[in-house]
Amino acid sequence: GNSVTQMEGPVTLSEEAFLTINCTYTATGYPSLFWYVQYPGEGLQLLLKATKADDKGSNKGFEATYRKETTSFHLEKGSVQVSDSAVYFCALRKDAGNMLTFGGGTRLMVKP
Amino acid sequence: DTGVSQNPRHKITKRGQNVTFRCDPISEHNRLYWYRQTLGQGPEFLTYFQNEAQLEKSRLLSDRFSAERPKGSFSTLEIQRTEQGDSAMYLCASSSKKLTGPTYEQYFGPGTRLTVT
Repeated sequence: GNSVTQMEGPVTLSEEAFLTINCTYTATGYPSLFWYVQYPGEGLQLLLKATKADDKGSNKGFEATYRKETTSFHLEKGSVQVSDSAVYFCALRKDAGNMLTFGGGTRLMVKP
Repeated sequence: DTGVSQNPRHKITKRGQNVTFRCDPISEHNRLYWYRQTLGQGPEFLTYFQNEAQLEKSRLLSDRFSAERPKGSFSTLEIQRTEQGDSAMYLCASSSKKLTGPTYEQYFGPGTRLTVT
């Protein structure tokens, strides 16, 4: 079946540090890949997405590149802010309109 | 566009009681999804609807769980004879090809947190 594995947290960084959160997936075919973010007390929000190999999704300074050869979709940001503190979820979707399969989430804490 | 709304936001119930949650999707979204999220884990798919038709159910959805979307708009998720293991956040999401293009992006509600004592 489909699955998503992401690095366990928490990840603790100082403000302006470089962020990488690893995500790898298992799926047949060509899934779409997503990063969702959950800020404290709020619902899941779509952060970025990529729908085919070598696509790069980007939003709010975050980026992730769909790497089919390594089945990965690592999230990166060059300079994190305290306001980026949240839980980040990597997810895949096999077919348009179908369900999302999520990883376990990675908590990011950014200290001033 | 007011977003996906869910009610109630919190529910505390005693083991063995029945509970019902409601989800109102974004207007005109034809697909509606239910997920369950336990503490420290990612959301797990339960079921989804296209209009009023329930298209897929997860094996996580035991026979104590039932979901409906009678008019293709709001949806309800009922849990009968609740157990302590049902304690979780229940998330609803909606999507539409018409509004979001070909990728059916899912927009999530704030969730209903269920505590079974």
